[in-house]
Amino acid sequence: DTGVSQNPRHKITKRGQNVTFRCDPISEHNRLYWYRQTLGQGPEFLTYFQNEAQLEKSRLLSDRFSAERPKGSFSTLEIQRTEQGDSAMYLCASSPSHSLDIQYFGAGTRLSVL
Amino acid sequence: TQLLEQSPQFLSIQEGENLTVYCNSSSVFSSLQWYRQEPGEGPVLLVTVVTGGEVKKLKRLTFQFGDARKDSSLHITAAQPGDTGLYLCGTDKLIFGTGTRLQVFP
Repeated sequence: DTGVSQNPRHKITKRGQNVTFRCDPISEHNRLYWYRQTLGQGPEFLTYFQNEAQLEKSRLLSDRFSAERPKGSFSTLEIQRTEQGDSAMYLCASSPSHSLDIQYFGAGTRLSVL
Repeated sequence: TQLLEQSPQFLSIQEGENLTVYCNSSSVFSSLQWYRQEPGEGPVLLVTVVTGGEVKKLKRLTFQFGDARKDSSLHITAAQPGDTGLYLCGTDKLIFGTGTRLQVFP
């Protein structure tokens, strides 16, 4: 297994457009997390899934953001009507059920909204 | 609101020097993790500590969890340029600190 995979690595879009990111976690990891990281800051929690169930969402996750994990494997994060303030690195992580504190991160998707 | 404060924010040192970075909170955590992140990449887990007073060593890196499980430190002995990166602490509550950016010059 090659670890957590995120696509695309970079996305440039115009303000008002919709974007979708994909995360493929490590096989058999039950939990999947999404974070946002801006320059000079640590990752900020957005949401997480236990299998296909979305168990927690941060207040940072406005109604323009939606995340899915339909079959309990890969996940998508969609941002509608992007704003310049959405520009950030979007990180995905996964963890196995026997070690929930240990998260394995992907390389992230860097979003630039022009 | 649970916060993790890391200090210093930036650290620039010469190869061979020792350094300590800190992660502090007013909250108690079940566990605390330290990660290292390089530019353009995701954080990579270095260690997790769970017991108050616990000390873990990873080669030249020594991690300590405070007795009250509210704080932690990371000490690097004889820093090398390869240690350069952003050091993040994170907790079981899915909270991360703002990080310490370390630059080690040869």
